[in-house]
Amino acid sequence: DAKTTQPPSMDCAEGRAANLPCNHSTISGNEYVYWYRQIHSQGPQYIIHGLKNNETNEMASLIITEDRKSSTLILPHATLRDTAVYYCIAAFNAGNMLTFGGGTRLMVKP
Amino acid sequence: DTAVSQTPKYLVTQMGNDKSIKCEQNLGHDTMYWYKQDSKKFLKIMFSYNNKELIINETVPNRFSPKSPDKAHLNLHINSLELGDSAVYFCASSGGAGGYTFGSGTRLTVV
Repeated sequence: DAKTTQPPSMDCAEGRAANLPCNHSTISGNEYVYWYRQIHSQGPQYIIHGLKNNETNEMASLIITEDRKSSTLILPHATLRDTAVYYCIAAFNAGNMLTFGGGTRLMVKP
Repeated sequence: DTAVSQTPKYLVTQMGNDKSIKCEQNLGHDTMYWYKQDSKKFLKIMFSYNNKELIINETVPNRFSPKSPDKAHLNLHINSLELGDSAVYFCASSGGAGGYTFGSGTRLTVV
């Protein structure tokens, strides 16, 4: 699986959009980009994934650059409950063993 | 109904003991996993189990052994527990094109 790089921490004001970047410059053509988050003391939670096209669901939007070397997870209206560690992972499919890196600790502030 | 359930939620035991953590999923997923999250909060894959095929992370000591009585269960047995085994252990499952579903974790403390 391709290695991903994320900033260790970010702050966001409550109600504003949170944009979490991820670099995956060595991603191969059939590797997906997965995003998970882990709220304190809970199990990681799946957010969204994509291959080439931008994706949106009820939780977030995923923007993948045309060259697929980076992506951005967007939480459109961050709330205090979105404070968590967010992990970006590149993997061939969900059946593969996902390797979690350090992630980005997002702090949503009032 | 909880999709992926682990028991117990907390486990405190003495060094040298043997213990088990149970995991059950009701999602009909084909693949189950065990992850370990240490004090530094890094999540490390331990095992992947799919249709009787076991994939082991080579860094996992052989004191750890997963056992799957059926597709919906993947239990983790740990022999001769050591202080360094203290961590939070997460079970997960996956199926189809979606992501993993994780359990709520088992906090193991070895004293």
